[in-house]
Amino acid sequence: EPEVTQTPSHQVTQMGQEVILRCVPISNHLYFYWYRQILGQKVEFLVSFYNNEISEKSEIFDDQFSVERPDGSNFTLKIRSTKLEDSAMYFCASNFRAGNQPQHFGDGTRLSIL
Amino acid sequence: GESVGLHLPTLSVQEGDNSIINCAYSNSASDYFIWYKQESGKGPQFIIDIRSNMDKRQGQRVTVLLNKTVKHLSLQIAATQPGDSAVYFCAELSGNTPLVFGKGTRLSVIA
Repeated sequence: EPEVTQTPSHQVTQMGQEVILRCVPISNHLYFYWYRQILGQKVEFLVSFYNNEISEKSEIFDDQFSVERPDGSNFTLKIRSTKLEDSAMYFCASNFRAGNQPQHFGDGTRLSIL
Repeated sequence: GESVGLHLPTLSVQEGDNSIINCAYSNSASDYFIWYKQESGKGPQFIIDIRSNMDKRQGQRVTVLLNKTVKHLSLQIAATQPGDSAVYFCAELSGNTPLVFGKGTRLSVIA
């Protein structure tokens, strides 16, 4: 069964540095998402992306964050000037269309800011 | 404010028994609901979904019930197995708005 893949599985970064989290969505999917899950808390929406542009973003997704689809397969989340509170699991998800269809999630990248 | 929440944070069941995980939602405009299972170190895994025009949907060993009158969603797992141990999240969606997740219930299966 096709799946969403994310790399790296664990990223350790010094505070203030930039990180790029990578995702390969399911190949025929058109809608892409990033979510964040702080340890022990619920999964929180960050951003959705369709047709090479952001379709929606949450309050969390401020100027520190950006997303890009640099080629036909990758979908990246860049976090600039990382802060301690950016430490979390970051999940990528995709689906074929928006609305009433389940989003399929990758296994996440654990981001640890030191 | 609008929120999706869970009644019980933890649930322990004997292997072979049925499990019921509950979820309350407050956005009456939500028209689509999903249950996800999250095992340790993994991402949310889709279990079953239901649209607001239905009140029950069955899958393999799982049933989702939707009561729109009281804005309540439940996940029933039949003959619970050790492999069912995980955190279960309900999530709701209204139109094309982002998925809103509940806090999660940890299911522990006692062998």
